[in-house]
Parts: sequence; structure tokens; C-alpha cells
Amino acid sequence: GAGVSQSPSNKVTEKGKDVELRCDPISGHTALYWYRQRLGQGLEFLIYFQGNSAPDKSGLPSDRFSAERTGESVSTLTIQRTQQEDSAVYLCASTIPGQGDEKLFFGSGTQLSVL
Amino acid sequence: QKEVEQNSGPLSVPEGAIASLNCTYSDRVSQSFFWYRQYSGKSPELIMSIYSNGDKEDGRFTAQLNKASQYVSLLIRDSQPSDSATYLCAVSDTGFQKLVFGTGTRLLVSP
Repeated sequence: GAGVSQSPSNKVTEKGKDVELRCDPISGHTALYWYRQRLGQGLEFLIYFQGNSAPDKSGLPSDRFSAERTGESVSTLTIQRTQQEDSAVYLCASTIPGQGDEKLFFGSGTQLSVL
Repeated sequence: QKEVEQNSGPLSVPEGAIASLNCTYSDRVSQSFFWYRQYSGKSPELIMSIYSNGDKEDGRFTAQLNKASQYVSLLIRDSQPSDSATYLCAVSDTGFQKLVFGTGTRLLVSP
């Protein structure tokens, strides 16, 4: 596609439910990132994929969070047993690393609200 | 200590003035430095990248890097109200495997 696509754009869920967030990167972008942004805060790194492997999972807040990526395509971020503190905008970004002037292309994000 | 630190602001400047945004980072092996702009309710967009010590200019924007002091800044000349946004500093290692963002500085340019 023309840009990074994320779905759903908004998700309201009840505490304790599982949610799955989807990211479709720009075609050909081998690197994919997930960030979390709480209201009025900066971007919190969650996980990075190079292809379908995740060399850095250090940002995942707890074992309730997991992510996977199919090849160099779609990625899903799953949050199990959601808590109110999980409420945030979840941003996905993709890029082609090693190009000399790396630029992350961000999706529009998924606004997650846990009631 | 946070890996990338920025003053949250807001930084208020009048239209036409120079806005100076600052960022410090803790990891000495960092090699790539970026400034992203984020309008309220929107996703971040890259405005400048810098890799070597010194200044890099692009239109009204100048990025400055001092690796010895672990300091990177962004100057915006002739500030416009449309520049009002949050500016995020981001730092990466050589492999670009983890881009770490600061919390951002909110800039307000008054007409």
C-alpha cells in the first residue's frame, strides 16, 4: 500500500479482555517497529522486527504483551488480559534499514481504551 | 537516567523568532540522530536527521550535533504558527535496531 496501515483505528475493550492490533507496513520495508504513546507522553519502544525475527523485545512491558510478524509483511501486537494502564495509542512504523538516511514511516495508530 | 531527555516545555516563541530545541542522550555508542515533528492527534513525521558532529541545515531547520557532549539540538528560524507542534528527538545505534525517542518538547509559536 501507499503507507503504513493500522487497524482498528480505535478499540474500546473491557478490562481483562484480549486485544489484537494489526499493522500492515509499506511494501518492501523489512524493518517494523511498535511504539506506545500514552496521552501527553513520548513514544515508548515496544518491539522491533527485522523480517520476521525480533532481535529486540526489551520494550514489551510484561508477558501479557506479545507480537509476531509474518515474513516481511503484516505484524500483530496482542495484549492479553488488558489493564487500564494499557490505554494508549499504539503506533507502528516501518523502514528499510541501511539506506543511509533511515526514516520511519508511521501509521495513524490504534487508540486503545480499556474500561 | 532516561536514554533520551528533552524539556517537555511548552517553549513559547513569537512568530519570526528562532526556536531552539535541545536533547541529550546517554548512550555513547549512538550514531544516528533524528528530529520528528508531531502535530496534536497525528503521527510523528521526520524533519531532520544528522549523523556527524556539526551543523546540518535544511531550509529553516538546522540540526546541531555534539557527540562529545552527547547533545543534539534543532533550531527553527523564522518560526511560524504552523510550526507549533511537539518535537521528538530520537537516537539510534549503528545498526538502527532500536530507535529511542525522547518525550518531546512542545513548541508554541504565537502570531
